[in-house]
Amino acid sequence: GQQLNQSPQSMFIQEGEDVSMNCTSSSIFNTWLWYKQDPGEGPVLLIALYKAGELTSNGRLTAQFGITRKDSFLNISASIPSDVGIYFCAGQLGNTPLVFGKGTRLSVIA
Amino acid sequence: DAGITQSPRHKVTETGTPVTLRCHQTENHRYMYWYRQDPGHGLRLIHYSYGVKDTDKGEVSDGYSVSRSKTEDFLLTLESATSSQTSVYFCAISVSGQGIDYGYTFGSGTRLTVV
Repeated sequence: GQQLNQSPQSMFIQEGEDVSMNCTSSSIFNTWLWYKQDPGEGPVLLIALYKAGELTSNGRLTAQFGITRKDSFLNISASIPSDVGIYFCAGQLGNTPLVFGKGTRLSVIA
Repeated sequence: DAGITQSPRHKVTETGTPVTLRCHQTENHRYMYWYRQDPGHGLRLIHYSYGVKDTDKGEVSDGYSVSRSKTEDFLLTLESATSSQTSVYFCAISVSGQGIDYGYTFGSGTRLTVV
């Protein structure tokens, strides 16, 4: 099946630093989404991207849908302790189920 | 906020026993999904449903069956649980409206341990 390569697998950063993570695929998607998962909870949608080249922000978060439709990145600016969690990218083609990356575990050191 | 509830939240069961996990939604969404989450693997699709009695297999469907006899409930059954099925199971619904796709909303998960 389709696979998404998400990197890095984990990150340890100082509070206040910017964070960048990305996802690549061998297949094209027409929707890219980014989710965050807190411990003991299900993933929660952060940003959805629907068009190649689209750049979307949600507060300190910015995500882009790659022009080739095979990649996406998520940036977090000025990280704070509550940014800790696992971040997942997900891609979708048409009406098929979402395919998820393996996640990036973010730890923030105060 | 889409109402989606999973039960039980935690379960410990013995190898070889059948187990059923329940996902309940309150907003009449058509599409429902079961994923499992394991370290190093992220979220992998087990089965999904696109309507009452309409289901299809996902990437890791072996050893699992599903049923959807009414819109609000999507059941996942492990016919004979094995230790490899120890995992956290998430149900999700696809939320859309007025031509806008809002992605999936996930339940809080069921942590299943097979001993």
